[in-house]
Amino acid sequence: RKEVEQDPGPFNVPEGATVAFNCTYSNSASQSFFWYRQDCRKEPKLLMSVYSSGNEDGRFTAQLNRASQYISLLIRDSKLSDSATYLCVVNPNYGQNFVFGPGTRLSVLP
Amino acid sequence: EADIYQTPRYLVIGTGKKITLECSQTMGHDKMYWYQQDPGMELHLIHYSYGVNSTEKGDLSSESTVSRIRTEHFPLTLESARPSHTSQYLCASSGDRIREAFFGQGTRLTVV
Repeated sequence: RKEVEQDPGPFNVPEGATVAFNCTYSNSASQSFFWYRQDCRKEPKLLMSVYSSGNEDGRFTAQLNRASQYISLLIRDSKLSDSATYLCVVNPNYGQNFVFGPGTRLSVLP
Repeated sequence: EADIYQTPRYLVIGTGKKITLECSQTMGHDKMYWYQQDPGMELHLIHYSYGVNSTEKGDLSSESTVSRIRTEHFPLTLESARPSHTSQYLCASSGDRIREAFFGQGTRLTVV
């Protein structure tokens, strides 16, 4: 079993749709959680950190459930420019390396 | 914007050549990483460093080597390039206080 697993995708949604991505992690001692966005042939860029209380940044909402070892990302009113691969990233502990999920590809269609 | 730079951005080179991919960051981060990523595929960690004179191999076996003589610099070297080394190589860094990783723009390597 992979340390970080994500919805396999791809997700093809119309503009304006709400889309939710799910991610699970296996290391219960994990400390930090992130969502990254990676455009085709580009480097990953931080979309948002995920906090225990959940956090929102405009149209994006991230949730963390430590008991279920589950992270989610909700995108509301999706735009064409949201088309990308979304990577769930876990930092198990200070002194350990980031663990990247395989990513879920999103295509927002006109 | 993150201050982490990779050169060259694109490299096409013949089989058997020695190459060095450069990565520099100006954020004073102790931790630096090299990832390999084929198009449409997952990131694979090939090397990492937690500070000067500290280097370790990552999860994916790689024929490349790295060095960390200065905090800001983490070059990756292939002694004899082969077509199987064709891939994108991404360098990243992270600090103690800021937990997330920052990526360079990557080097797209093609070995012919």
